[in-house]
Amino acid sequence: DPKIIQKPKYLVAVTGSEKILICEQYLGHNAMYWYRQSAKKPLEFMFSYSYQKLMDNQTASSRFQPQSSKKNHLDLQITALKPDDSATYFCASSQDVLGGREQYFGPGTRLTVL
Amino acid sequence: AQSVTQPDARVTVSEGASLQLRCKYSYSGTPYLFWYVQYQRQGLQLLLKYYSGDPVVQGVNGFEAEFSKSDSSFHLRKASVHWSDSAVYFCAASMVSQGGRALIFGTGTTVSVSP
Repeated sequence: DPKIIQKPKYLVAVTGSEKILICEQYLGHNAMYWYRQSAKKPLEFMFSYSYQKLMDNQTASSRFQPQSSKKNHLDLQITALKPDDSATYFCASSQDVLGGREQYFGPGTRLTVL
Repeated sequence: AQSVTQPDARVTVSEGASLQLRCKYSYSGTPYLFWYVQYQRQGLQLLLKYYSGDPVVQGVNGFEAEFSKSDSSFHLRKASVHWSDSAVYFCAASMVSQGGRALIFGTGTTVSVSP
C-alpha cells in the first residue's frame, strides 16, 4: 500500500489559472515537505511543516501556498500559474524535523502549464 | 552558498561490473548526507544516509558510501551491478546549521546498466 499519496498524478493547467496539489501520508510522521523537480533545475526544496506549522519557506513567490488541514495532509496551492511552474512536485515526510531525519518521498505530481 | 555537486551526468556500466558515483558537497561544517535513487517516473527512494561515526555506511541492495571530510565527498559504490540498478541517483545534504530540514540535491547521475 502506498504510504504517501499524491493526487493527481498528472495535471495540465492553463497560464493564469490556479491548482491544488494534494498530499497525504500514512507513515505517522509529524513533518512534511514539498520539493520541485524541473527540467532546468535540480530538485529544489520548497517548504517544511512540523505539526501543521510552517518551519521553512524557500520559495521566492507567494503564489505557492501550502495548506495543512490535518497533520498528515500538506496540500500545495499554486495561483496565477506560469509555464515556468511546469515541473514534478514531490511531497515528502519524516518522523519529525530534527536535523538529518530520513525523508520519504511520494510519487510526485507532474504539472504542465500551457 | 551550500551546494552538492555530482560531476558525472551519465554513467554506463556492464552488468556485473562495479559502480562508483561521485558526490562532493560545499559546506563549512559537517552536513547530513544521503543518497537517493529514482527509478523511471517514480518517487525517490532512500539508499543510505550518513550522520557521524564510521565513514563507510551500508545501504540497501548492496550499496555503500564513504564519507571523506578532508575531501568533502560522499561517494556511492556497488561491487556488482544488476540491470535493475538502471536509474537516476541523487546525492543530497542537509545543513546542520540550518536545522537540517531542507535537503539540497545534486543534479543526479543517470546510470545505465548494459547486459
